[in-house]
Amino acid sequence: GQNIDQPTEMTATEGAIVQINCTYQTSGFNGLFWYQQHAGEAPTFLSYNVLDGLEEKGRFSSFLSRSKGYSYLLLKELQMKDSASYLCAVTERGAGSYQLTFGKGTKLSVIP
Amino acid sequence: DGGITQSPKYLFRKEGQNVTLSCEQNLNHDAMYWYRQDPGQGLRLIYYSQIVNDFQKGDIAEGYSVSREKKESFPLTVTSAQKNPTAFYLCASSISRTMVGNTIYFGEGSWLTVV
Repeated sequence: GQNIDQPTEMTATEGAIVQINCTYQTSGFNGLFWYQQHAGEAPTFLSYNVLDGLEEKGRFSSFLSRSKGYSYLLLKELQMKDSASYLCAVTERGAGSYQLTFGKGTKLSVIP
Repeated sequence: DGGITQSPKYLFRKEGQNVTLSCEQNLNHDAMYWYRQDPGQGLRLIYYSQIVNDFQKGDIAEGYSVSREKKESFPLTVTSAQKNPTAFYLCASSISRTMVGNTIYFGEGSWLTVV
């Protein structure tokens, strides 16, 4: 099984940088995903990390430390449209397949 | 355009009724999933299917049923045995559940409300 922990809510100012943390405990780690979900809409894929280090994709970056069971999503130059929930999801290898478990999400509010 | 289509977007169910949510994908994905989302609870897996004519229970399968007669389709029935069905339901698919880095793509979701 997995235990995934991320903050429930965060607030940041337009134009600023925000870091959303995710910690996890799993016995068969095989990658970590970040998804963005606007209220009442489907989650959309942001990033996937399987090796330690930083993956950069435009204004968004995701970092992974497997030894620490830790990841963060970094959002730069925040825009109002970045107000959404950010879901951390961990892949664990089971019997012949990979199971994806989602955290409860972090609701980010971007204010002017 | 390729994607995942869920219908209806909004559905109202009376007490004791069964309702079926439709999910169709044209991405040629082998694996399909149903998740339920409640406020503050994140996404919880109801059922998944790795191949046609096969499906497995997820974490909260009680009160739900599915079928996978075609690769493209994975309908979810919310039965009267599900005592608290009001939620946002998300269908998803991926190339294969046996591949590392298996990215899941979601449909637009269906809101189910008990009246």
